[in-house]
Amino acid sequence: ETGVTQTPRHLVMGMTNKKSLKCEQHLGHNAMYWYKQSAKKPLELMFVYNFKEQTENNSVPSRFSPECPNSSHLFLHLHTLQPEDSALYLCASSQAGQGNTEAFFGQGTRLTVV
Amino acid sequence: GDSVTQMEGPVTLSEEAFLTINCTYTATGYPSLFWYVQYPGEGLQLLLKATKADDKGSNKGFEATYRKETTSFHLEKGSVQVSDSAVYFCALSPHPSSARQLTFGSGTQLTVLP
Repeated sequence: ETGVTQTPRHLVMGMTNKKSLKCEQHLGHNAMYWYKQSAKKPLELMFVYNFKEQTENNSVPSRFSPECPNSSHLFLHLHTLQPEDSALYLCASSQAGQGNTEAFFGQGTRLTVV
Repeated sequence: GDSVTQMEGPVTLSEEAFLTINCTYTATGYPSLFWYVQYPGEGLQLLLKATKADDKGSNKGFEATYRKETTSFHLEKGSVQVSDSAVYFCALSPHPSSARQLTFGSGTQLTVLP
């Protein structure tokens, strides 16, 4: 079982729909992240949560709304998206303060906005 | 700010060829350095890491040495296989007590032909 689990793996939604992406980590980490990976572009960090508190929002449009109810779960709520929002959305987690700050990634949700 | 520069791809090699993917970084302090690999349709997986100067990270036949004097962390493998075809990302992490996110390079696509 992978340490970071994302659901769904694939999602197709219309521009007027509302959907949510879910991420769950089983590693006991205290920080979680959302990244966007578009074709032929570098990984873009979207949000950072540290001990359930949002610590970074990298100028992400408000049609993306994160939620972190506890340190093991992270959601990304989507509404009125645009076709250019189609991408692979990756969740990651890491543990601060113990010298090992590598991030562990989920398999991603492939989102297509039609 | 921190940054990571990778050689641009795509890189195409024949099976059993020698692989080098260059990576240089800019960072304050003493970052940790990582190589991640992304197989088609999947999320990122940690391939190897090094946390201090002159450390060598290794895994699955891949190696990279943390060179502080040249601020580099080049990835090498002596004999690549078709199954190594993937996108490779170099990344750095700042001070280990921080939960700040990783800084990624833009990725290098590797294709290994039989």
